[in-house]
Amino acid sequence: DTEVTQTPKHLVMGMTNKKSLKCEQHMGHRAMYWYKQKAKKPPELMFVYSYEKLSINESVPSRFSPECPNSSLLNLHLHALQPEDSALYLCASSQSSTGAYEQYFGPGTRLTVT
Amino acid sequence: ELKVEQNPLFLSMQEGKNYTIYCNYSTTSDRLYWYRQDPGKSLESLFVLLSNGAVKQEGRLMASLDTKARLSTLHITAAVHDLSATYFCAVDSRSGGSNYKLTFGKGTLLTVNP
Repeated sequence: DTEVTQTPKHLVMGMTNKKSLKCEQHMGHRAMYWYKQKAKKPPELMFVYSYEKLSINESVPSRFSPECPNSSLLNLHLHALQPEDSALYLCASSQSSTGAYEQYFGPGTRLTVT
Repeated sequence: ELKVEQNPLFLSMQEGKNYTIYCNYSTTSDRLYWYRQDPGKSLESLFVLLSNGAVKQEGRLMASLDTKARLSTLHITAAVHDLSATYFCAVDSRSGGSNYKLTFGKGTLLTVNP
């Protein structure tokens, strides 16, 4: 099974809401990633978790809060977002982040902030 | 800081024609990837190139890697409309400490016209 799943597929939220994005993989991977992708742009790395610990934070605003409850799950908690945070949020996983291993991407969550 | 440059950024081709997309990167890399992305969708992995001289082919697409020149190419043979999509190259490299991360090119928007 080489599938990464993400829920929800679409999310519309107001600037005062709190919501969460969920990502799950069952490939035994020990590294998981969050990317943000704006229209017509490449994906931008936000966070990397390695063995359930945050290993890379690409200077992401604190209104985005990642959480890795276990090796299969990765959440992204959203609070007080701005309209410019509207984007496609992609989750990925790989065998490890301490080596050049292929990343497998989920289908993404399309987020709209109103 | 690793830089990945793709060209062209926009490519309009006629069906049946051949063309090449180029991907240059600025520092030593361990792996290079080519992805396809359809509008509103996630990234689909096309090729993983591991070593100098690597060549991989799938259908009408062929990718190659020259690590000495820090150049990868994605060659399209006898284009068909179904190949219309955005193509990204991405380079896996060490990012401080022992972690690796992907750096993406800006993408090439390919449109194949009848």
